Amino acid sequence: QVQLQESGPGLVKPSETLSLTCTVSGDSISSSTYYWGWIRQPAGEGLEWIGRIYTNGITHYNPSLKSRVTISADKSKNKLSLQLISVTAADTAVYYCTRENHGSDSWGQGTLVTVSS
Amino acid sequence: DIQMTQSPSSLSASVGDRVTITCRASQDISSYLAWIQMKPGKAPKSLIYSASSLQTGVPSKFSGSGSGTEFTLTINSLQPEDFATYYCQQYNSYPLTFGGGTKVEIK
Repeated sequence: QVQLQESGPGLVKPSETLSLTCTVSGDSISSSTYYWGWIRQPAGEGLEWIGRIYTNGITHYNPSLKSRVTISADKSKNKLSLQLISVTAADTAVYYCTRENHGSDSWGQGTLVTVSS
Repeated sequence: DIQMTQSPSSLSASVGDRVTITCRASQDISSYLAWIQMKPGKAPKSLIYSASSLQTGVPSKFSGSGSGTEFTLTINSLQPEDFATYYCQQYNSYPLTFGGGTKVEIK
């Protein structure tokens, strides 16, 4: 059974870069079956799909974030990464790492990132 | 982007009740729809994919139906562990998008 665990700073200053890592166990991010991605949820709001990466390195991003986001994968460590540049308070949210197969079929527990000075 | 509209946004129900949640897509998404259950402090859980297929290990009390633009999630015999927030998610095209959620509360 796949497990996903997000990690990274819980507090980021405005205009700086948000960086998160997702450690995947029980499955390989090199698998050709799945995409691996990120979703976020601001407090009291809905879910926003950020983007995803495939084993061949192809990425898809939400157009609303495309200019600021990068998703990458380290196959040797079986880890996924998210970078979001030039953050503002609007980027404060719980960030989830996900596996995609017929939708987001597996999720991490999520990690809260607050953007504040 | 495909807009997903979910209703109701919240409902109160009693243990043993049957509840139905509706999700409408702004355009035809065939059967590319999933239902996600979220509880505070826990990893979200996918319940249904392809509109009506149960994920492995999900009890048959959960069922999904629909295609095109209209979908429903039905929960039979509501139990305390089913009180949660439920989201529909379309994966017909990216960006993947979600309904606004339905919070199922205890009456």
